[in-house]
Amino acid sequence: DAGVTQSPTHLIKTRGQQVTLRCSPKSGHDTVSWYQQALGQGPQFIFQYYEEEERQRGNFPDRFSGHQFPNYSSELNVNALLLGDSALYLCASSLQYMGQYFGAGTRLSVL
Amino acid sequence: GQQLNQSPQSMFIQEGEDVSMNCTSSSIFNTWLWYKQDPGEGPVLLIALYKAGELTSNGRLTAQFGITRKDSFLNISASIPSDVGIYFCAGQEDNQGGKLIFGQGTELSVKP
Repeated sequence: DAGVTQSPTHLIKTRGQQVTLRCSPKSGHDTVSWYQQALGQGPQFIFQYYEEEERQRGNFPDRFSGHQFPNYSSELNVNALLLGDSALYLCASSLQYMGQYFGAGTRLSVL
Repeated sequence: GQQLNQSPQSMFIQEGEDVSMNCTSSSIFNTWLWYKQDPGEGPVLLIALYKAGELTSNGRLTAQFGITRKDSFLNISASIPSDVGIYFCAGQEDNQGGKLIFGQGTELSVKP
């Protein structure tokens, strides 16, 4: 049973560029959440998708957007990258109200 | 916004010792979860607590959901070297699987 998978594992971009990160949820899960984790900090909630719609959103600017596909996989898009966007981006999947299971993350470096 | 205060920030213990860490909040949470994160990896779910007062074990790990729903603790018995890592508590306000709010983490080091 495959867990949550994320791609790519590492990414280097320059300021002003755009990036797309991808996530496949754990088998049987229908909800995908995205988190940003800065070095030495706990993950911060970006948004959550359920039934292909954004259900909840954290305190992140509109430069952060997402999408969920009919197969429950999801994308996170970040436009106009800033140096401060450098972080580990984590995807978590869940089934309804049960615990969220995380992928290994995508390490984004913005130069 | 809500914050979780997790303590201690770091712990250095001898192999075989028991460990205790806790998490408090000014807000009520419907669910508390405990995660462990190794370097370069995502957090791994250890224990999920859904009811106030609930005490749950997972092997050498035991966690409790406080009666007031504003706190939780995690105990690790007879620590071993592979327990090394960062432990995070996370609270969930709603009962619909919504956003998690994380503590700052407790970094555990185990001396063999």
